Amino acid sequence: TAGITQAPTSQILAAGRSMTLRCTQDMRHNAMYWYRQDLGLGLRLIHYSNTAGTTGKGEVPDGYSVSRANTDDFPLTLASAVPSQTSVYFCASSSYGQGSSPLHFGNGTRLTVT
Amino acid sequence: EDKVVQSPLSLVVHEGDTVTLNCSYEVTNFRSLLWYKQEKKAPTFLFMLTSSGIEKKSGRLSSILDKKELFSILNITATQTGDSAIYLCAAASGTYKYIFGTGTRLKVLA
Repeated sequence: TAGITQAPTSQILAAGRSMTLRCTQDMRHNAMYWYRQDLGLGLRLIHYSNTAGTTGKGEVPDGYSVSRANTDDFPLTLASAVPSQTSVYFCASSSYGQGSSPLHFGNGTRLTVT
Repeated sequence: EDKVVQSPLSLVVHEGDTVTLNCSYEVTNFRSLLWYKQEKKAPTFLFMLTSSGIEKKSGRLSSILDKKELFSILNITATQTGDSAIYLCAAASGTYKYIFGTGTRLKVLA
């Protein structure tokens, strides 16, 4: 099975431009998450969704938005990119949004904002 | 504030050595402690621990949780070059939060 698919793999984006990072899972997991990973700061939660139709803010939500129209897809949008959003972005999912099942990660999107 | 601290930050060993990685946590409404291995791309799941004192084992890797002292260790015996990676631990808190440490970078020399 594919698990979690993220696209694109990498992207260079000019500051001020918008972009949507795509994430699709085929495991029928209820909960989905977006993290960013930066050197020395580890993985930080941007937004999450416990089930289709609901979303919530994580630790670093500013400048990002998400939607969860269905179970499988959880896109992350940067409305107006800034250089501080240069990072590696990981989408993840879990069976239950209760901290009682492990997170499964996609392969990440490396984003550079110039 | 919820936090997870891993030590050491980095470690260099030779093949065949045994290593112990540490993870301490302070989180509200703790549910579980998870370990991941990250090589070039996605973190891959190793263990999830929910009960104190019960060792989980997979091949040369093992892990245990101490909920009284709020820490976990990950042991790797007879290390191999393929064990070189960043090892992440995360504490699951409440309904949606998984708080990650910054990781331990392990390098195993041939």
